Amino acid sequence: KQEVTQIPAALSVPEGENLVLNCSFTDSAIYNLQWFRQDPGKGLTSLLLIQSSQREQTSGRLNASLDKSSGRSTLYIAASQPGDSATYLCAANSGGYQKVTFGTGTKLQVIP
Amino acid sequence: NAGVMQNPRHLVRRRGQEARLRCSPMKGHSHVYWYRQLPEEGLKFMVYLQKENIIDESGMPKERFSAEFPKEGPSILRIQQVVRGDSAAYFCASSPSSRGETDTQYFGPGTRLTVL
Repeated sequence: KQEVTQIPAALSVPEGENLVLNCSFTDSAIYNLQWFRQDPGKGLTSLLLIQSSQREQTSGRLNASLDKSSGRSTLYIAASQPGDSATYLCAANSGGYQKVTFGTGTKLQVIP
Repeated sequence: NAGVMQNPRHLVRRRGQEARLRCSPMKGHSHVYWYRQLPEEGLKFMVYLQKENIIDESGMPKERFSAEFPKEGPSILRIQQVVRGDSAAYFCASSPSSRGETDTQYFGPGTRLTVL
């Protein structure tokens, strides 16, 4: 059974700081790993999707890496802004079909 | 191509009533997944459906919950005799296939159910 853990559960940083969010998963047999953003009371916004054959993906100030052998993924946010404040979720897609397991999220607050 | 649509966005029910949540997948997608997010918790898989078939309902509570995805129309998640513990955000996702190595799931905006 896949288990996904995110550390830290909450993070508060001053504006402009670079930061790293961590995600670990127990079953390395994944098809892909996805990072989402969720604003309070809102739905999910897909940020980055890394296929199992890839090591990283980049979009703007975001960079996500994947190390299947160690069961880890990181989301790097450069030059953080107050608008980045949200909960960040990672999700591992594994199993014979698309059974996605979510982590519990990291709640990020960027202080102006 | 419209995204995954869910309605209603907000639903208020009193204890003992029925809640019906609807999900229209993206055009061309025949695979639908339901997830539940309890307050202060992560999203948990509930059920995976293809047209007219339930493939995996291992995450569904054994009682009061049911799901369907008919040949025509949206997927429906039905909760009978709701209790306060059912208050949560319910998300639907769809994909064009079950091949996780090539396709991903696209998520709807969610339905927030409040049970009074």
